[in-house]
Amino acid sequence: KNQVEQSPQSLIILEGKNCTLQCNYTVSPFSNLRWYKQDTGRGPVSLTIMTFSENTKSNGRYTATLDADTKQSSLHITASQLSDSASYICVVRGGGYNKLIFGAGTRLAVHP
Amino acid sequence: DTGVSQNPRHKITKRGQNVTFRCDPISEHNRLYWYRQTLGQGPEFLTYFQNEAQLEKSRLLSDRFSAERPKGSFSTLEIQRTEQGDSAMYLCASSLGSGTQETQYFGPGTRLLVL
Repeated sequence: KNQVEQSPQSLIILEGKNCTLQCNYTVSPFSNLRWYKQDTGRGPVSLTIMTFSENTKSNGRYTATLDADTKQSSLHITASQLSDSASYICVVRGGGYNKLIFGAGTRLAVHP
Repeated sequence: DTGVSQNPRHKITKRGQNVTFRCDPISEHNRLYWYRQTLGQGPEFLTYFQNEAQLEKSRLLSDRFSAERPKGSFSTLEIQRTEQGDSAMYLCASSLGSGTQETQYFGPGTRLLVL
């Protein structure tokens, strides 16, 4: 079954600290993997996209990694800000029908 | 603001009533998607259009749900005889093209509460 699992489910960190969110997937065939940020009550916004051959990609303070062999990805947030408080959703394109398969997200709260 | 708009942003209705949501995609985007998202979960695919043609519907889309995109621009999602289990955020997304690098741009969503 094509699935995307994220951990932790929720996370609280202090402003200025770093954190890493995890994503494991069992989607096959694999096309690409995206991380989305979703603010409360808003639609998701794409942060990064990585294909099979890419190991890392950065977008400002966000750095995503991909290990296609172990089917794992991580999103590292550096020097967190209060505005980073949101849900971060891992999305894999693939699964035979080239669909988007969404994880449940990690809810991040950054406290002052 | 991604350029995708949805109306209304919030809808409260009584069980059994019909509701209709509207999505206005980014103007040049040929693909339009509808998703449903419940609290603490990621979006679940409902259906998508390429121009005015509805190309795929999820099994989640029961007979009470219907979507249209009559002129290949805006789209509507109607839910008939609403049930409490329909309470969710309904997200619309649009994209240009269909390659593997396709990026879907999401609207702010319509939050539905069925009492």
